[in-house]
Amino acid sequence: DAEITQSPRHKITETGRQVTLACHQTWNHNNMFWYRQDLGHGLRLIHYSYGVHDTNKGEVSDGYSVSRSNTEDLPLTLESAASSQTSVYFCASGEESSYNEQFFGPGTRLTVL
Amino acid sequence: KNEVEQSPQNLTAQEGEFITINCSYSVGISALHWLQQHPGGGIVSLFMLSSGKKKHGRLIATINIQEKHSSLHITASHPRDSAVYICAVRNRGGADGLTFGKGTHLIIQP
Repeated sequence: DAEITQSPRHKITETGRQVTLACHQTWNHNNMFWYRQDLGHGLRLIHYSYGVHDTNKGEVSDGYSVSRSNTEDLPLTLESAASSQTSVYFCASGEESSYNEQFFGPGTRLTVL
Repeated sequence: KNEVEQSPQNLTAQEGEFITINCSYSVGISALHWLQQHPGGGIVSLFMLSSGKKKHGRLIATINIQEKHSSLHITASHPRDSAVYICAVRNRGGADGLTFGKGTHLIIQP
């Protein structure tokens, strides 16, 4: 069955370290998204991609980067982790049309000490 | 920027009750999603609407495009319906990323 996976599921790191969160989908979707979920804010869009080599900034992109070298993967990198980036991160993917649902990964809980 | 408001923020009800969760948004959209997030954290898409009404089992979602408002109804509620219900909108002509409400935390007591 097609699926979307994230790794690691939990990560503790220190301020200033580089961290990469993996997202892998086997739906063969062109559109992929990264969101973060924080109490009091709900989910917010970090970055998104419409296909290989395409990346775009979302609402809260500062301090994050993504790259898309193939259809299946969209890794999210925190260049220099900050305590404000402690959050739960969700990856999602969807078909090209705006009228299709998004499928969410299980989430990664990141703690920056 | 689209402002998405959900009400109520928290709702506790008895098993069997009819549940309504509301969502309003400020700017025209191409689609609205209702999502469910269980205590384990996983997010599941329940409905995607661009007009009218959809039904799946005991769940019904409606949208009024003119009023910029959607409702999610649960009939004959059950403790397993306890979850956070999240409304999200896809902005018309904008990025395909979603803008989310803060969620409604629903608890159904036996």
